[in-house]
Amino acid sequence: EAGVAQSPRYKIIEKRQSVAFWCNPISGHATLYWYQQILGQGPKLLIQFQNNGVVDDSQLPKDRFSAERLKGVDSTLKIQPAKLEDSAVYLCASSLTTAMESEKLFFGSGTQLSVL
Amino acid sequence: LAKTTQPISMDSYEGQEVNITCSHNNIATNDYITWYQQFPSQGPRFIIQGYKTKVTNEVASLFIPADRKSSTLSLPRVSLSDTAVYYCLVGDKNTGRRALTFGSGTRLQVQP
Repeated sequence: EAGVAQSPRYKIIEKRQSVAFWCNPISGHATLYWYQQILGQGPKLLIQFQNNGVVDDSQLPKDRFSAERLKGVDSTLKIQPAKLEDSAVYLCASSLTTAMESEKLFFGSGTQLSVL
Repeated sequence: LAKTTQPISMDSYEGQEVNITCSHNNIATNDYITWYQQFPSQGPRFIIQGYKTKVTNEVASLFIPADRKSSTLSLPRVSLSDTAVYYCLVGDKNTGRRALTFGSGTRLQVQP
């Protein structure tokens, strides 16, 4: 079974530039998550989609971050304009929504963003 | 939202059993306990999940006491490849799909 695919793997930009990340979840997974992981910290949830609807975006800095999940499959996360503190690994995860147990998240390898 | 507390780091030697304990005093009735493992440059990977008592799979065991205010991840006979960060999380069953909240995790270093 194919895992969660993310691209690009690495990205280096200058502050005030824009950047976009792409994620393709595991086939059939209705729920998709974007996490931000700063070096030395645990992943922090930015946004959660259920199909193509937003479930939780309370921690998304909406003045500069945006995300969409068209057709309930692939998703893109955009930062515009980027700041130095946005340097982090951006992780995409998906889960098969069931009613029988807690969510088990399957993560991609992430995109490492460096803002100079 | 249940908060978890776990040691920042642990050291072990190859072949030893490692037990990582996580406290979650405010765990709710419907919360499951889930553990993830993360290697450098990779996303977290699901290890084990449980609700009560003991759960065992091919990778680890999870011990949960009756009051469920803590849980212990047990890794039998660790090897160098078990060096990673381990996260303990609590998440709702049958809810509005609340996402799992990660803490800072426990950094396990296995020495030869």
